[in-house]
Amino acid sequence: GAVVSQHPSWVICKSGTSVKIECRSLDFQATTMFWYRQFPKQSLMLMATSNEGSKATYEQGVEKDKFLINHASLTLSTLTVTSAHPEDSSFYICSIMEGSGDQPQHFGDGTRLSIL
Amino acid sequence: TQLLEQSPQFLSIQEGENLTVYCNSSSVFSSLQWYRQEPGEGPVLLVTVVTGGEVKKLKRLTFQFGDARKDSSLHITAAQPGDTGLYLCAGAGSSNTGKLIFGQGTTLQVKP
Repeated sequence: GAVVSQHPSWVICKSGTSVKIECRSLDFQATTMFWYRQFPKQSLMLMATSNEGSKATYEQGVEKDKFLINHASLTLSTLTVTSAHPEDSSFYICSIMEGSGDQPQHFGDGTRLSIL
Repeated sequence: TQLLEQSPQFLSIQEGENLTVYCNSSSVFSSLQWYRQEPGEGPVLLVTVVTGGEVKKLKRLTFQFGDARKDSSLHITAAQPGDTGLYLCAGAGSSNTGKLIFGQGTTLQVKP
């Protein structure tokens, strides 16, 4: 399956800082990537669908001005958490979809974000 | 709105025991995937089931897709401490957008 690289794996920063997380598809051109958020011992919550060359589609309740997504190339999508606050601390995971809607997703190893 | 109810959410068993995890929905899914996730890592795909009634085996893991494609189960035989982790079921919805609908997850702990 496709290989997905996510960077950084862990970031700690002060409240008010903006943090950028990168998701790279290493061996597949991904027109669609997904961003998830996960709290400890809980399932994944889809935040948004990142579409190459167009605006991301956000799930209900996710602030698009807070979580900026850019998918400028077929191998890179970025998620920027703007003016992060302690409540934004979480595990953020990206995935790519290889093929059509029935195909499994391949996940990055996640980014643990801790806001002090 | 399509939902997947996964149960149990937490399971702690002794090595060698058997267990079953269930995912149920009132909606039909075109396919259903099972993932395993370890702490600090992303989910890793275990299996995809597509056909109603399908059964797939992966060593000691048996996956079944319900005849009506609304439910699925994961059965682990003779669990090992290495099976410890978070198990997630995820259904591909009807919209063909690629979005997955995840169950709540099952945290499995296998004690030696």
